[in-house]
Amino acid sequence: QQQVKQSPQSLIVQKGGISIINCAYENTAFDYFPWYQQFPGKGPALLIAIRPDVSEKKEGRFTISFNKSAKQFSLHIMDSQPGDSATYFCAANNYGGSQGNLIFGKGTKLSVKP
Amino acid sequence: NAGVTQTPKFRILKIGQSMTLQCTQDMNHNYMYWYRQDPGMGLKLIYYSVGAGITDKGEVPNGYNVSRSTTEDFPLRLELAAPSQTSVYFCASSYRELFFGEGSRLTVL
Repeated sequence: QQQVKQSPQSLIVQKGGISIINCAYENTAFDYFPWYQQFPGKGPALLIAIRPDVSEKKEGRFTISFNKSAKQFSLHIMDSQPGDSATYFCAANNYGGSQGNLIFGKGTKLSVKP
Repeated sequence: NAGVTQTPKFRILKIGQSMTLQCTQDMNHNYMYWYRQDPGMGLKLIYYSVGAGITDKGEVPNGYNVSRSTTEDFPLRLELAAPSQTSVYFCASSYRELFFGEGSRLTVL
């Protein structure tokens, strides 16, 4: 019930392509779904987050799509660039509780080829 | 602002040794956390604190201890280091958004 399943484990995309990373959760009490971006040797940093009252949130080239009935959410990176090469983590929790008690997916290593 | 600062960045320990990973934040956040990150396994919560003097266990607390005497500092203590504690450790703090430090890479040999 506490798991967040993330796929794929790794992803190679050509420059200008679309990168798509998917996550699924089980706990219907989750109401906060952030994505974190981590570059090698650095800590994760919040990229974009969504609450379940909307089905999509867009910030620049990054979009979260959320499907409450399927308990799935995904990150789309449009016009992917080599600078987007990083590891991406989805996460979830009950925002009413501690923000940091997030359940993380296992991560997706994205490589964008020039 | 420095944000969340962790020291040391790298450390090699022998089995059975003890050490403390230091974490300090200058954002006046009440919430602080320690995570460990293992390859292909995501981030696992070790301990967290909701304020000075208050700490609680996360998902993987065994072999670790914490204290929170001030809002700024949240050290993580490893007693009797074991090879299974080889990992990258991240400290984080939050008000709404979670802010991570740059990590401490620990190897136990």
